[in-house]
Amino acid sequence: AQTVTQSQPEMSVQEAETVTLSCTYDTSESDYYLFWYKQPPSRQMILVIRQEAYKQQNATENRFSVNFQKAAKSFSLKISDSQLGDAAMYFCAYTMYSGGGADGLTFGKGTHLIIQP
Amino acid sequence: DADVTQTPRNRITKTGKRIMLECSQTKGHDRMYWYRQDPGLGLRLIYYSFDVKDINKGEISDGYSVSRQAQAKFSLSLESAIPNQTALYFCATSDRDRELFFGEGSRLTVL
Repeated sequence: AQTVTQSQPEMSVQEAETVTLSCTYDTSESDYYLFWYKQPPSRQMILVIRQEAYKQQNATENRFSVNFQKAAKSFSLKISDSQLGDAAMYFCAYTMYSGGGADGLTFGKGTHLIIQP
Repeated sequence: DADVTQTPRNRITKTGKRIMLECSQTKGHDRMYWYRQDPGLGLRLIYYSFDVKDINKGEISDGYSVSRQAQAKFSLSLESAIPNQTALYFCATSDRDRELFFGEGSRLTVL
């Protein structure tokens, strides 16, 4: 079974600084998808960014970017110019390509990000 | 209106009671899921459904059952609730693009 590991239960960063959240995963598949979701105190789950394993280019969405290292099975999230609104739980998630991904996503345990004003 | 709607948003119940959490979606997706979130454990899959005729157990299905009444409706039942089922429950949908679209969550407390 696939596993997703987030080794940082909590991270803290000063407003306007850059922070990187770590994620590693275990899979024997060669094609798969990776995601970062954000859960603010409102508890809504919000997609931050996604990466297809076959794409060599790292995904970027405004201030959010990933460092995808396929050989190392690592998928870290970098948040630049941190803002107070970035404070949330962040979850890394995986699904394999085969089977249409119909069995959903496998999530890590999450990293609680604190933004210091 | 939200694309994925869960009811109730919050519920307090007693041990042994039967509880149903309901989910409806307007996204037109075939795939629907129920996840459970516990502090420090992330989200874990309870059940998932590809369509009305296809229901599958997830990682932690014991003590739960589901019903897919229509393409747009997927309900989760706890036949006899116990305190360790206290958690935040999410319904989600997806299409072949793999992204999950979540409801707003149902917080269940079992006393």
